Amino acid sequence: GALVYQYPRRTICKSGTSMRMECQAVGFQATSVAWYRQSPQKTFELIALSTVNSAIKYEQNFTQEKFPISHPNLSFSSMTVLNAYLEDRGLYLCGARDHWGFYSDYTFGSGTRLLVI
Amino acid sequence: AQSVTQPDARVTVSEGASLQLRCKYSYFGTPYLFWYVQYPRQGLQLLLKYYPGDPVVQGVNGFEAEFSKSNSSFHLRKASVHWSDWAVYFCAASSGSFNKLTFGAGTRLAVCP
Repeated sequence: GALVYQYPRRTICKSGTSMRMECQAVGFQATSVAWYRQSPQKTFELIALSTVNSAIKYEQNFTQEKFPISHPNLSFSSMTVLNAYLEDRGLYLCGARDHWGFYSDYTFGSGTRLLVI
Repeated sequence: AQSVTQPDARVTVSEGASLQLRCKYSYFGTPYLFWYVQYPRQGLQLLLKYYPGDPVVQGVNGFEAEFSKSNSSFHLRKASVHWSDWAVYFCAASSGSFNKLTFGAGTRLAVCP
């Protein structure tokens, strides 16, 4: 079946430092990858949508300068949170799908939980 | 603007009782609709999905949902709740199979013995 692995599962970083999180798709081609953030007690906000061989599209309030994303092939994506501060804490979720598959739905990983101290 | 609204932030039911979690959407045309569940300290798991067709869709673990175009709703139902259903439930919508998924605020379900 289709699976998405995210790592690390949780991480703690000092305020002002950066951390990188990874997303691995297994069993299908991740032609599109969506990165979401769930801040404490809130819903999932889309950070950006990445499609292989296309420009990465960032949502309002999120920028490439703060959340650079790499999507180099059909099974892997990574995102870095640069200069992390308290407001960046939360659960970061990666969802991947086969863009060319009709009726293809997002498969989500278990997330990377970021704590900033 | 396209949006998904879950009017109930928290719902408490007794184990064995029936359940309905509400979801309203505001989209041009008929969106694709989804219900996801988030168990404590975990990511998202898909419960069920609606693509234009039969308005009642069946999901995993006895969940079902009914699409209503006239009410712009996609409510989730379960006939008999189990303690293991204690989780947060998210309704989500997409305007097409290639477009982004927009989530509601979530409904926290508590199950009493």
